[in-house]
Amino acid sequence: EAQVTQNPRYLITVTGKKLTVTCSQNMNHEYMSWYRQDPGLGLRQIYYSMNVEVTDKGDVPEGYKVSRKEKRNFPLILESPSPNQTSLYFCASTPYARRGGGYGYTFGSGTRLTVV
Amino acid sequence: QKEVEQNSGPLSVPEGAIASLNCTYSDRGSQSFFWYRQYSGKSPELIMFIYSNGDKEDGRFTAQLNKASQYVSLLIRDSQPSDSATYLCAARSGSARQLTFGSGTQLTVLP
Repeated sequence: EAQVTQNPRYLITVTGKKLTVTCSQNMNHEYMSWYRQDPGLGLRQIYYSMNVEVTDKGDVPEGYKVSRKEKRNFPLILESPSPNQTSLYFCASTPYARRGGGYGYTFGSGTRLTVV
Repeated sequence: QKEVEQNSGPLSVPEGAIASLNCTYSDRGSQSFFWYRQYSGKSPELIMFIYSNGDKEDGRFTAQLNKASQYVSLLIRDSQPSDSATYLCAARSGSARQLTFGSGTQLTVLP
């Protein structure tokens, strides 16, 4: 089954304790992204990757790191989590977008993170 | 700052009625537009995309695009209670990276 797999689904952690949220896709997609979703603010892009070893900042990258060592994996790293990073996180992937192409993102199931 | 605006709702319609969801975007360079449905606590799922002016129909769903007015809409005919969800509008500019989402419209279909 074609899918984007995130782990864990739920995570409660303490301020300052490094954590990693994993993301893996089995569709051979070039593009992968991380979004956070907060009430009233919608989905905001944190980081994206166009291919292996190619990553760039989205709209809200502060406090996050990513890496893309393999095409299928795109982990999100919080080096020193803070309470304002409490949110619902989604990983998403899409194939290369031809001009005018209609490829939307396929989303993972989400990770609900609470930082206390 | 590229923006996608949606009425946050909530929007309520009776079962069997037409639900109309609207979206405007600020970036004239936007090329493709997407409608996602998101049930509470779940991930967004793609319903439709459109990139040409006019209407695009898929079953009970019709997407409409007017680039001159920078306006996108989604019509849901014969609305069902199972359509109750938050609907997200998204616009994509030159690269797949620049997919900007609106904050969503919450739709409730009343039995």
